[in-house]
Amino acid sequence: GAVVSQHPSWVICKSGTSVKIECRSLDFQATTMFWYRQFPKQSLMLMATSNEGSKATYEQGVEKDKFLINHASLTLSTLTVTSAHPEDSSFYICSAGASGRNTGELFFGEGSRLTVL
Amino acid sequence: DAKTTQPTSMDCAEGRAANLPCNHSTISGNEYVYWYRQIHSQGPQYIIHGLKNNETNEMASLIITEDRKSSTLILPHATLRDTAVYYCIVRALNSGGSNYKLTFGKGTLLTVNP
Repeated sequence: GAVVSQHPSWVICKSGTSVKIECRSLDFQATTMFWYRQFPKQSLMLMATSNEGSKATYEQGVEKDKFLINHASLTLSTLTVTSAHPEDSSFYICSAGASGRNTGELFFGEGSRLTVL
Repeated sequence: DAKTTQPTSMDCAEGRAANLPCNHSTISGNEYVYWYRQIHSQGPQYIIHGLKNNETNEMASLIITEDRKSSTLILPHATLRDTAVYYCIVRALNSGGSNYKLTFGKGTLLTVNP
């Protein structure tokens, strides 16, 4: 299957700093990528839809100025958590579907665990 | 996306078949049934999907009832590594864009016991 890679897999930062998480589709092009957040013992919650070459679409309740998404190429989307606070500590997961592949499945990255001190 | 209902948890003995049910009584005619699983602290993994016919791949089988209101994911010979949360999701198959997104419910925690 197609491979989606995230980096870093885990990060610890101080409160008030910004953290960037990268999501790459390694062997396919992805017009659309999705960013999810998962708190302990909860399900994945969609944060935003990242579209290559255009602005991201955010889900209700997700602050677009706090979670900056950039999708500059067909293989890379980045999520920047700005001015991170302890409540932003979570497991962030990206996913992508292969452009032109009409099978509907999404491929997920390994996830990035953010801990804000 | 149409809602799905799954049991919160299930247990299965290693080597036995694991049958995970899912109810999706409000599924629309153009919506597929997708199954993903998430092993602890990893990203979700695609398992299988189907529209109305039963499907089988190297990982599992998917049985969809004739009225499409429910389905069952079958892991024929469960191993300890199959312990995970299994998500049943219904979604229309589109060419792309925001409709491609998957909305996750709470899923079923399958525990395979030795």
